[in-house]
Amino acid sequence: QSVLTQPPSVSAAPGQTVTISCSGSSSNLGNNYVSWYQQLPGTAPKLLIYDNDKRPSGIPDRFSASKSGTSATLGITGLQTGDEADYYCATWDNSLTAGVFGGGTKLTVL
Amino acid sequence: EVQLLESGGGLVQPGGSLRLSCVASGFTFSSFAMTWVRQAPGKGLEWVSDVTGSGGNTFYADSVKGRFTVSRDNSKNTLYLQVNSLRAEDTAVYYCAKARSLVRGVPLDYWGQGILVTVSS
Repeated sequence: QSVLTQPPSVSAAPGQTVTISCSGSSSNLGNNYVSWYQQLPGTAPKLLIYDNDKRPSGIPDRFSASKSGTSATLGITGLQTGDEADYYCATWDNSLTAGVFGGGTKLTVL
Repeated sequence: EVQLLESGGGLVQPGGSLRLSCVASGFTFSSFAMTWVRQAPGKGLEWVSDVTGSGGNTFYADSVKGRFTVSRDNSKNTLYLQVNSLRAEDTAVYYCAKARSLVRGVPLDYWGQGILVTVSS
């Protein structure tokens, strides 16, 4: 049972838009930045979003994110088959004094 | 170019120990916290431990507290994870990752390729 809750799976057609939610509590998302990671099959995770809504260089603006209170959302527009991956949210938990990840969401581009 | 190269994994019996290493290059190692993240076969990511840039502060997941020890040698640009009293549930790919911050172990902007630790008799 992960501290951060994500839907196990989402799906959408190429070209469409999908959102992935991440829900936490006041000890984690409520008081800390969220980051998002993409893990393509068989590869190491890659940072997509940091500090709630910032994209590292090289990440296309099709990827966006927001945070409100104890919840965060990752959005992907103009879906491509290459976006099929597992997506994880992460943050720091002040009560655990530890980092925490969501359980991950598998994105299928139909 | 930032590179993180893990080593030291392998097959170990329950109750055994290993020391994982991660050699970093391409950035000022001592200026950033470093984190270990693991992923059990077919499962999600689990934050394991991190150490601040100076090495003065360390943090652990409850699942490994008292059994794992994170450390770093800034003169060698190397991060370590000493894993003791290994259990079957510690079987995972262990990733070394660079934090964006000096003192906080998330977010993680660069990741190694991962090293497999298998705990089995």
